[in-house]
Amino acid sequence: GAVVSQHPSRVICKSGTSVKIECRSLDFQATTMFWYRQFPKQSLMLMATSNEGSKATYEQGVEKDKFLINHASLTLSTLTVTSAHPEDSSFYICSASGLAGGSDTQYFGPGTRLTVL
Amino acid sequence: QKEVEQDPGPLSVPEGAIVSLNCTYSNSAFQYFMWYRQYSRKGPELLMYTYSSGNKEDGRFTAQVDKSSKYISLFIRDSQPSDSATYLCAMSENTDKLIFGTGTRLQVFP
Repeated sequence: GAVVSQHPSRVICKSGTSVKIECRSLDFQATTMFWYRQFPKQSLMLMATSNEGSKATYEQGVEKDKFLINHASLTLSTLTVTSAHPEDSSFYICSASGLAGGSDTQYFGPGTRLTVL
Repeated sequence: QKEVEQDPGPLSVPEGAIVSLNCTYSNSAFQYFMWYRQYSRKGPELLMYTYSSGNKEDGRFTAQVDKSSKYISLFIRDSQPSDSATYLCAMSENTDKLIFGTGTRLQVFP
């Protein structure tokens, strides 16, 4: 149990375009979903926290107009990187928490590697 | 000073060795402590989850938390080449916002 999927696993896009990444909890209802960014050889940095049906809470320094988060249901959250630039190239990972297996902890998706040319 | 400090390694050990991975932290309000394993270009996988101080064992893995010293450890017994990965410690005041260490890269050679 506690499986989280992400789609796509990899995306390459041109500068200025927008990219949408999906995060799904497959076998449990995720009351909260989190979006992280990980640069090479660095740790995961939390970008935002979203609860189903409400606006996301962004971490300091993360532009909410650039990284649009929608958490429309208990099993799906999306991250849209708008007007992507090469510096947005990174590994984006989502996690979901809910009462999966009786444990309210975070389970991570496999990540999405974004490359902006 | 970072909230969570973790030696990035790499740590290279022979198969069968006991591996000790550690993190220190500065926030005394942290109550939840986790260890994740991350293979290259994959998402982190939860290995151990501990609340407050004490030890927890699961198969070849043992997690220890010493809140008085603000120090947590993960021990891997009988290490295998398949254990080669980056190990991330994470901690939080509640079950929401996790603060991660930078990760320790472990290599177990046959």
